[in-house]
Amino acid sequence: DIQMTQSPSTLSASVGDRVTITCRASQVINGWLAWYQQKPGKAPKLLIYKASSLESGVPSRFSGSGSGTEFTLTISSLQPDDFATYYCQQYHIYPLAFGGGTKVEIK
Amino acid sequence: QVQLQESGPRLVKPSETLSLTCSVSGYSVRSDDCWGWIRRPPGKGLEWIGGIFRSANTQYNPSLKSRLTISLDRSKNEFSLRLSSVTAADTAFYYCARQSCDSLGTYHFASWGQGTLVTVSS
Repeated sequence: DIQMTQSPSTLSASVGDRVTITCRASQVINGWLAWYQQKPGKAPKLLIYKASSLESGVPSRFSGSGSGTEFTLTISSLQPDDFATYYCQQYHIYPLAFGGGTKVEIK
Repeated sequence: QVQLQESGPRLVKPSETLSLTCSVSGYSVRSDDCWGWIRRPPGKGLEWIGGIFRSANTQYNPSLKSRLTISLDRSKNEFSLRLSSVTAADTAFYYCARQSCDSLGTYHFASWGQGTLVTVSS
């Protein structure tokens, strides 16, 4: 099974900061990676798919990159609405797997 | 736009069966669609439970496979999850989701239900 490791687990940042979250897969996943945002009491929301494709309606300050086993989610200028928990997910092979999550907190 | 809503008992006794239904609205379920279940124990991360593809094919998390059944009812525009012999470890927020897919494979979860907290306790 593929294991997904996210870092950091918690990140403290200020509005306007550039934020980067890393996700590492235990084996090559050929770019079959998605990023989700989850706020308390809400369903996860798709942000990025196929490692770098921006979901329709998602602000352009969100971007994804990476290949092989290492991927990043970048928020170019953190906004108040962005304080949430972020998860990566591989869909290269079954069983599907999520990273442990990164909570972005207000500094 | 597709909307999903989970329903079912919020409290289940240990050793009993957890049953949830995901009602799909704003969209007519087709035979080539892909649907999934994901859960998040309180204070923990997301865990993929399983999915049903093209009406009949299923994939289950190996850690749950022996206790899990996922089915689809196109006539009711809904799909369901049954997890037997539950323990406190199965207490979680349960989400249903629509999985993007085509003839070549299955991909990300494009739409999610709001989720429902199911507690396993006597």
